[in-house]
Amino acid sequence: AQSVTQPDIHITVSEGASLELRCNYSYGATPYLFWYVQSPGQGLQLLLKYFSGDTLVQGIKGFEAEFKRSQSSFNLRKPSVHWSDAAEYFCAVGADRAAGNKLTFGGGTRVLVKP
Amino acid sequence: EPEVTQTPSHQVTQMGQEVILRCVPISNHLYFYWYRQILGQKVEFLVSFYNNEISEKSEIFDDQFSVERPDGSNFTLKIRSTKLEDSAMYFCASTGQYQETQYFGPGTRLLVL
Repeated sequence: AQSVTQPDIHITVSEGASLELRCNYSYGATPYLFWYVQSPGQGLQLLLKYFSGDTLVQGIKGFEAEFKRSQSSFNLRKPSVHWSDAAEYFCAVGADRAAGNKLTFGGGTRVLVKP
Repeated sequence: EPEVTQTPSHQVTQMGQEVILRCVPISNHLYFYWYRQILGQKVEFLVSFYNNEISEKSEIFDDQFSVERPDGSNFTLKIRSTKLEDSAMYFCASTGQYQETQYFGPGTRLLVL
């Protein structure tokens, strides 16, 4: 069965500083990997996704993520954080499409941004 | 930009009552999903739906739950007899033909008293 671990429950970062959120997955086949962001009172917004090809993927809002198969990781990064990036971030892995492509989510990392 | 919508945004109900949560997926999407997030816990898959039938369901999705696409636009989740532990945020999602990216709605927060 697939699983996702986000080791950091909370991260506090100063505005303008860099941010890295960790994600480790367990999945037997080639994973489909996603990062979603949830702002307070909002739904889940897709930041970026990885299916195949270039292991460094660019997303919206200046985020990027790098897929490292050897480490089973898909860490999310942003070079310079803005106050509006304060939110909860979820990493997810997708199952095989034939199986309905359900997503398995990590526990989330809540990001606080200090002025 | 097309988006998934859900109604109501909040619902409070008494234990044992039936609730129906409604979703309008993106119009040309073919695959539909329900997830839930109990407060402080992970987002969990409940069920996927394609071509008017369930594709996959989780252990959570027992006989108290059902899904339906009653017309060409709505996708509903019914809980027949709610329990306290059904209190959660329920998210609807949809994907297009190639099932790549799931687009989520804003969620319905259900509180069972």
